[in-house]
Amino acid sequence: GIQVEQSPPDLILQEGANSTLRCNFSDSVNNLQWFHQNPWGQLINLFYIPSGTKQNGRLSATTVATERYSLLYISSSQTTDSGVYFCAVAITGANSKLTFGKGITLSVRP
Amino acid sequence: DGGITQSPKYLFRKEGQNVTLSCEQNLNHDAMYWYRQDPGQGLRLIYYSQIVNDFQKGDIAEGYSVSREKKESFPLTVTSAQKNPTAFYLCASSMGRFLYNEQFFGPGTRLTVL
Repeated sequence: GIQVEQSPPDLILQEGANSTLRCNFSDSVNNLQWFHQNPWGQLINLFYIPSGTKQNGRLSATTVATERYSLLYISSSQTTDSGVYFCAVAITGANSKLTFGKGITLSVRP
Repeated sequence: DGGITQSPKYLFRKEGQNVTLSCEQNLNHDAMYWYRQDPGQGLRLIYYSQIVNDFQKGDIAEGYSVSREKKESFPLTVTSAQKNPTAFYLCASSMGRFLYNEQFFGPGTRLTVL
């Protein structure tokens, strides 16, 4: 099956700093999603981005499908950005299921 | 207010008991999913359903059962055959029947076996 690798596994930032989270995948995809899991366990949709670039406030994401990676940028980080960030992909095909990476744990210090 | 609800939030079970986790959505989504999350891990797919009265096994279906009698409801039963059921369970749904469509998640149920 498809391999999804996220890096770095852990990240500690000072409030106000910027960061880049990476997701590598091993096959062509027609779905790529970034999620933020908050301390209560809720998975919050950040981006649905199988290709291209999107921005939402302080967050933006870029997926380069031909090179099989996606990047999530967090600018001017806040303590509320803390949590686990997951990348999930589905390979090209009608019945392809979503496969999750192991996540990146982000801690933003005040 | 559209969304996905799961109940209960916390569930404690004695060994040998079956328990049922509820998942309801009012988004009019066709497909629904159950995932399991273990500490420090990503999510793994247990079962999914693309239409009413039909469902398919995911990657870790052993010890679990589901039903899909209504479009908005997809309950998961954790049976006594599941050897290590303590985990965080997440339900999701997506528009349309293709599994690659964008998925949205409920708040989850934490199951602990005593």
